[in-house]
Amino acid sequence: AQTVTQSQPEMSVQEAETVTLSCTYDTSENNYYLFWYKQPPSRQMILVIRQEAYKQQNATENRFSVNFQKAAKSFSLKISDSQLGDTAMYFCAFMGQDSNYQLIWGAGTKLIIKP
Amino acid sequence: SQTIHQWPATLVQPVGSPLSLECTVEGTSNPNLYWYRQAAGRGLQLLFYSVGIGQISSEVPQNLSASRPQDRQFILSSKKLLLSDSGFYLCAWSVLRQGSGGYTFGSGTRLTVV
Repeated sequence: AQTVTQSQPEMSVQEAETVTLSCTYDTSENNYYLFWYKQPPSRQMILVIRQEAYKQQNATENRFSVNFQKAAKSFSLKISDSQLGDTAMYFCAFMGQDSNYQLIWGAGTKLIIKP
Repeated sequence: SQTIHQWPATLVQPVGSPLSLECTVEGTSNPNLYWYRQAAGRGLQLLFYSVGIGQISSEVPQNLSASRPQDRQFILSSKKLLLSDSGFYLCAWSVLRQGSGGYTFGSGTRLTVV
């Protein structure tokens, strides 16, 4: 069965710094999708970035980028020039055919951006 | 464009009372629909999912039930709430058997059972 592991329960950085959140996963599939979701204090779940496993190029969305290492089954999120509004829980998630395209979630990382 | 509506935003209910949370999706047809629960500071727990009208799969046996009376409507219910039913409930949708889009979530319902 697929699993997703986020090994950092909580992180904090100063505003404007760069921070990297870790995520590893386990699967026997070759084609799948990976996601990072953000949940701010409002608790709205917001999609930050997605990566298709068949694409070698790392996905980027403005200040957010991923380091996708397929062989290592690693999918880390880098936030550049962090802002106070980035304070949130961040969840890594996996989706593949074997799980019937249901999201498999990590436990989350609480990120605090300090002024 | 697709939108998802979830209500109410906040609910305080006494133990033993019934529950009905509603979720509707606009701008798409035949979506996968999901109900999640999240305890404070914790991850997401999948409660129910549906791939079509009247088709409900339960992930965790409990005091709750779900129904899908229309293609884009998903309802979470309980006949008698327990204190342990308190939490944050999220509805979500995705495109059937496609992974590229991920899930889109509603704004959530904060349920407090007193």
